[in-house]
Amino acid sequence: GDSVTQMEGPVTLSEEAFLTINCTYTATGYPSLFWYVQYPGEGLQLLLKATKADDKGSNKGFEATYRKETTSFHLEKGSVQVSDSAVYFCALADNTNAGKSTFGDGTTLTVKP
Amino acid sequence: GAVVSQHPSWVICKSGTSVKIECRSLDFQATTMFWYRQFPKQSLMLMATSNEGSKATYEQGVEKDKFLINHASLTLSTLTVTSAHPEDSSFYICSARDQGGGLYYGYTFGSGTRLTVV
Repeated sequence: GDSVTQMEGPVTLSEEAFLTINCTYTATGYPSLFWYVQYPGEGLQLLLKATKADDKGSNKGFEATYRKETTSFHLEKGSVQVSDSAVYFCALADNTNAGKSTFGDGTTLTVKP
Repeated sequence: GAVVSQHPSWVICKSGTSVKIECRSLDFQATTMFWYRQFPKQSLMLMATSNEGSKATYEQGVEKDKFLINHASLTLSTLTVTSAHPEDSSFYICSARDQGGGLYYGYTFGSGTRLTVV
């Protein structure tokens, strides 16, 4: 079945540091890939997405590129802020499986001033 | 953009009672909604897929009679936790996609419901 493997956390960075959160996937079809962010006590918000190989998703300074050859979708940001502290989930939606989403375990990011 | 409203945000109930959680798509029609359960510091576990006008599809290991799902309209799905027990305490989140979205636009999530059974 489909699966998503995320870099284990927690990740603690100083403000303005560079962020990378690794994500790899396995899927039988041709999935779309997503990064979601969850702030404490809240639901998930879509951060960015990519629907086919070599697509780059970007939003709020975050980027991720759909790499089919390495089955990866790593999240990056050049300069993190304290307000970026949250839990980040990598996910895929497989159009051969009724569009169900499969989530990684989440990576907790804490940014210190 | 698409908005999903989930209500209530939190609820405390006594053991043995039932609790209903609502998930509404506010500005689009959601033919499919998903219900997830999230334990502290863990990922989301898909419980069931709710389809408008038909029976929900439950994931393996999820008790259908305990977690009743009704998707009576294109904008509303409800999850009822029946005869709740302390082990049902969790964070429940719904998500929805419209007829043309989901795979290409991402899913829209509700804000979640924190259920505490005492």
